[in-house]
Amino acid sequence: AQTVTQSQPEMSVQEAETVTLSCTYDTSENNYYLFWYKQPPSRQMILVIRQEAYKQQNATENRFSVNFQKAAKSFSLKISDSQLGDTAMYFCALPQGGSEKLVFGKGTKLTVNP
Amino acid sequence: GAVVSQHPSWVICKSGTSVKIECRSLDFQATTMFWYRQFPKQSLMLMATSNEGSKATYEQGVEKDKFLINHASLTLSTLTVTSAHPEDSSFYICSARDRDRGRGSYNEQFFGPGTRLTVL
Repeated sequence: AQTVTQSQPEMSVQEAETVTLSCTYDTSENNYYLFWYKQPPSRQMILVIRQEAYKQQNATENRFSVNFQKAAKSFSLKISDSQLGDTAMYFCALPQGGSEKLVFGKGTKLTVNP
Repeated sequence: GAVVSQHPSWVICKSGTSVKIECRSLDFQATTMFWYRQFPKQSLMLMATSNEGSKATYEQGVEKDKFLINHASLTLSTLTVTSAHPEDSSFYICSARDRDRGRGSYNEQFFGPGTRLTVL
């Protein structure tokens, strides 16, 4: 069964600095997608970034980038130039067993301090 | 584009009553919608997969007679919490998959803003 582990329940960072959130996962699939979602205090889930496992190049979306290590089954999220609006829960997610049901990690609460 | 709405955003009901939550895809058609439950400070737990024109598929441990799901059209799925009790109080989130995304790409899920249910 697919599992997603986020080992950092809470993190904080100063505005304009860089922070990395970790995620490890387990899957028996060879080709799959991985996702980072953001849930701000409004609780609206927002897709931050997506990585396709067969692509070696790490995905990047503006200030957000990932470090995808397929062999290690690691998928960390780096946020550069942190902004106050980045304060949110961040969830790592993986489709379940070839389906499109998502399995979420427990989340990391990120606080960006002014 | 790709907007999903939920109604109501917040509902309070008495124990024993039933509550219906609507999930609508506003600018795309969704053959599949997903219903999640989120307890305070916890992650999202998938409850069921709602398929247009067919019966919903429930995750293990989710009572199908308790949480009735109807997906009557390509833009609307409803979740009815029957005979609600205080332990059903939670945040319920739906997501919808755009059926018209191209082949070979993951059909991204778009999330609704959630519904907070409080059962007294």
